[in-house]
Amino acid sequence: ETGVTQTPRHLVMGMTNKKSLKCEQHLGHNAMYWYKQSAKKPLELMFVYSLEERVENNSVPSRFSPECPNSSHLFLHLHTLQPEDSALYLCASSQDVGVYYGYTFGSGTRLTVV
Amino acid sequence: AQKVTQAQTEISVVEKEDVTLDCVYETRDTTYYLFWYKQPPSGELVFLIRRNSFDEQNEISGRYSWNFQKSTSSFNFTITASQVVDSAVYFCALSLMDSSYKLIFGSGTRLLVRP
Repeated sequence: ETGVTQTPRHLVMGMTNKKSLKCEQHLGHNAMYWYKQSAKKPLELMFVYSLEERVENNSVPSRFSPECPNSSHLFLHLHTLQPEDSALYLCASSQDVGVYYGYTFGSGTRLTVV
Repeated sequence: AQKVTQAQTEISVVEKEDVTLDCVYETRDTTYYLFWYKQPPSGELVFLIRRNSFDEQNEISGRYSWNFQKSTSSFNFTITASQVVDSAVYFCALSLMDSSYKLIFGSGTRLLVRP
């Protein structure tokens, strides 16, 4: 266990479904991140939150909607996804915003869109 | 633009062999960080090392060593006496100090260590 827990581990959803990914950290970190890992592509930063405020939206389509109700929880709400959105979605946290503090990653949610 | 290239898609070695994973980066900035992460089959990325651009000193940590050469924009990673548990995907990453939360990852090298 890394201290960052992601649920569910696997998710299969249809293109018209609405689902949510959950990330939880009990490390006392102030910053949380969503990354997307697609097959044969480098990891891509999607969103950055610092103290529950979004500081980065890296040109992510609106069918992905993040939510950070408190510094320990981060959600990614999914709506009308496309098959190309199938990927491993990784959550990470750090003491404060910035790689200098070191990221702790969760094990990810493997999403398949059918 | 910044870019990280890991030309080796997949490497297979026999246990106890030494193996070097290559990483070449591109940036016009003079201040940056370089990283290596390990991604075992369980999925999470495990932090291995962070170096800043001012520190070219090579580093050794147990069986792991890193060779940072600014002249060739390379940050290579060597595993000595590899073990089956080293089997994983290894990512090299770059971050500029003025946009310090953005990690730019390479495409990864899958290492398979056979018994």
